[in-house]
Amino acid sequence: KNEVEQSPQNLTAQEGEFITINCSYSVGISALHWLQQHPGGGIVSLFMLSSGKKKHGRLIATINIQEKHSSLHITASHPRDSAVYICAVRLPVRAAGNKLTFGGGTRVLVKP
Amino acid sequence: DSGVTQTPKHLITATGQRVTLRCSPRSGDLSVYWYQQSLDQGLQFLIQYYNGEERAKGNILERFSAQQFPDLHSELNLSSLELGDSALYFCASSSDGPGTGAFLANVLTFGAGSRLTVL
Repeated sequence: KNEVEQSPQNLTAQEGEFITINCSYSVGISALHWLQQHPGGGIVSLFMLSSGKKKHGRLIATINIQEKHSSLHITASHPRDSAVYICAVRLPVRAAGNKLTFGGGTRVLVKP
Repeated sequence: DSGVTQTPKHLITATGQRVTLRCSPRSGDLSVYWYQQSLDQGLQFLIQYYNGEERAKGNILERFSAQQFPDLHSELNLSSLELGDSALYFCASSSDGPGTGAFLANVLTFGAGSRLTVL
């Protein structure tokens, strides 16, 4: 079993719809990252969370440390949101330096 | 432009060869991370350097090595290349300190990646 599991693997939405991507992990972590990878391959770090909730524009990320679960929400989705969204967990520094372990990614397609 | 520069963008080489990928971190960032993204394995952490010293090691093969220089740029050396080494190699940098607490984890800035094709 992977340490980081994402669901769904693929998601298709109509423009304007609310999108939720889930990430579950099985180890203790110091932080969780949400990354966005566009079709060209470039990776952008969207959020880094260690607790609670963060919001940036139409993107909201939440984390529940006790339940080992995080969600990424996209409100009022737009075709330019089409990308692969990757969850990555950072193990505690003393345990593993700053190693990131990645989920398999969720491929999101937003149709106009 | 993220501020992290990777060269070359694309590289095609033959099995058995050796290549060097280069990364210049964002100004002020002392930590450099290398990741490999292949079709079958997804993104995997290879190695991290902080201010010239190795800090953490992931799934890095013995045929691969890396270093970070005094000017903080880093190089990833891949030798005795095999077909399976074909992948996107990403470098990322952050302003992480030298392990100052379990919850200190700064945002990563990724380079655009180097696409390696081994024929």
